[in-house]
This record gives sequence, C-alpha cells and structure tokens, in this order.
Amino acid sequence: QVQLVESGGGLVKPGGSLRLSCAASGFTFSDYYMTWIRQAPGKGLEWVSYMSSGGSTIYYADSVKGRFTISRDNAKNSLYLQMNSLRAEDTAIYYCAKGQLGPDWGQGTLVTVSS
Amino acid sequence: DIQMTQSPSSLSASVGDRVTITCRASQGITNYLAWYQQRPGKVPKLLIYSASTLQSGVPSRFSGSGSGTDFTLTISSLQPEDVATYYCQKYNSAPFTFGPGTKVDIK
Repeated sequence: QVQLVESGGGLVKPGGSLRLSCAASGFTFSDYYMTWIRQAPGKGLEWVSYMSSGGSTIYYADSVKGRFTISRDNAKNSLYLQMNSLRAEDTAIYYCAKGQLGPDWGQGTLVTVSS
Repeated sequence: DIQMTQSPSSLSASVGDRVTITCRASQGITNYLAWYQQRPGKVPKLLIYSASTLQSGVPSRFSGSGSGTDFTLTISSLQPEDVATYYCQKYNSAPFTFGPGTKVDIK
C-alpha cells in the first residue's frame, strides 16, 4: 500500500533553514506528481508546492515563492522541501501527498519557527 | 489568483439531518473541484474529486455537485463519525487553493 513518511521538521529560529524529506513506497514514485501542503496550528489547509514526475514542472504558493524549493530524487523515491528565510508564519504541519490531488498523504512533520 | 470561499464556516446538525456545504470560486474552474474531510487530529481524507466523483471507499451519503463557480457538498444523513472540518480545493491550475473550511458537529 502507499506509504508516505515525512521527516526533517523541528524548531528553527526566524531566518533559519530546514530541509524536509518525504520517503515514498508502495507505488511507482517516478510516475507521479508530488505535492507539499501545510497546516498551521488550529488553521486550515494551505497548498504549498508541487513538482511533476520528471521535475520539469514546478509551482509554488505566493507565500513561499523565492524562499522554498521543492525537489525530488526518483532513484531514492524521495521528495524534498528546502525551506529558507523561515518566518513565524511558516509554523505548521507539513504534509507530502501523492499526485496533484490526494488521496494519499503522509502523517506530516511539524515545523516550528520561533526564537 | 482564484480565491475559494466556503459557507457556512461552521454548522451544527442532528444525526440523520441532511447537511449542505457550499464552495464558491472567484472565477470559473469547470469541474476541477475536490472535497476533503479532516476529522479532529487526523490527516485530511479525499472524499470527492471532479466536483461529483466519489473517491473509492467513501460512503454514499456523501455527494458533490456543481460546476463553474458554485459547488456543494451534501451529506444526506449526518452520522456521528462525520464530525469534521470539510475543505474544498480547486485544481484546474496552480495554485491549488483550498477553501477556508466548514466545521461540522453534532447538535
């Protein structure tokens, strides 16, 4: 079955950087778009970014454009999100999802940006 | 960018009631609209895509309709396990914006 496991979250100071990973299994990773979605504590869902199967198509939400970079390694069945210049408002659970549109999501990794 | 709104923001209904949630896009998105359910403390679950297609395994009491700018999610007979926040999401083009959510609980 599809399994997505995020890692790399933690506490970071404003202006700092963090790299999230999403390890995928149970499907042919290289065939699928992959997406990052986040949810601030007690708030709604926010679409962050997606990348096409081969990496040629990438989109970002305006709120992270220029600060976050999505990437993937199809040989390692892994998706990444490099987050730079982090702000307090980036505090959230970050989920990776298979495809452009669910249904498979990981359990998420919590990123806390605080001094 | 296209904005998504939902109404109401919250509702309370009795078990067995018919519940309707509305989602509106600021511009037409044909039928590129999905609905998610997020139970408290859980990961969101895809209920419906293409505005009206039920995801495999989702109970038939859930249904979706609409096209263009106006969409609805209907729960035909509310059950206790349906207590959750429901989100719409447009996916015709990036950014794949979510609506702000509608919180449903039992009266």
